[in-house]
Amino acid sequence: NAGVTQTPKFQVLKTGQSMTLQCAQDMNHEYMSWYRQDPGMGLRLIHYSVGAGITDQGEVPNGYNVSRSTTEDFPLRLLSAAPSQTSVYFCASSYSSPTGVFGNTIYFGEGSWLTVV
Amino acid sequence: AQSVAQPEDQVNVAEGNPLTVKCTYSVSGNPYLFWYVQYPNRGLQFLLKYITGDNLVKGSYGFEAEFNKSQTSFHLKKPSALVSDSALYFCAVNHNQGGKLIFGQGTELSVKP
Repeated sequence: NAGVTQTPKFQVLKTGQSMTLQCAQDMNHEYMSWYRQDPGMGLRLIHYSVGAGITDQGEVPNGYNVSRSTTEDFPLRLLSAAPSQTSVYFCASSYSSPTGVFGNTIYFGEGSWLTVV
Repeated sequence: AQSVAQPEDQVNVAEGNPLTVKCTYSVSGNPYLFWYVQYPNRGLQFLLKYITGDNLVKGSYGFEAEFNKSQTSFHLKKPSALVSDSALYFCAVNHNQGGKLIFGQGTELSVKP
C-alpha cells in the first residue's frame, strides 16, 4: 500500500517555465488536495477536489491549475513559474471531506521541493 | 473565521522530561482538532485527533492531547520526551459546519540528550 505518492521530489525551474507536479493515491479516497508549506506560515490550501471531475479553489490558487480525471490522480500545474512559488508542495487525500462533519484524517505525500530561479 | 495558533516557534526539552506543544483555536462551531508531525524532508504524519467525547486523546508514539473547550486549547503532550521526537509539529482545526482545514504555523520541537 503506497498511500499518497508525489513526483518529482525535487525540481528547479526557471521563471516563466511551466511544470506539473504529479500526485497519485491508492486508497480509493474521494478527496484530494494540494498544499504549499512556507516557513512561518504553516500549510496553505491551493486547490482541492471532492471527486473525479470536480475541483475547487483553496486559499492560494493563483498561478496553479488542477484537474481530476480519475479518482487516483490529482496533478498540480504551474502555468508560468514565479520565484514566489518556491515552496514545498504537499498532496493529500482523505476518505471523505477533510473539512466535513466527520473530521476525516488527511494522509499526506512526502512532498515536492520546488525552487524557481 | 476559524483560525489556529501555535504560540511557540520552538520548544526545547531534555530527553526524559515531559513535553508540551501548545495550540489554541478559534471556530464558530464545534471544533475538530488534529495534530500532525513532520520529520525533516518528509511529509506530514497524523498523530491524533479530537472529534468528540473524552477530552484526553491518545495518539501515536506515546503522544496525547487534551481538549479544553473553555480555554479553546488543544495542547500536545508526552510524559517522557525522546530525541527521536525532534520534529516540526502542526496543529490543525476544522469545525462541524464545514469549511477548510486550517493549519497552525508549526512548532519546532528539539529534544536534547
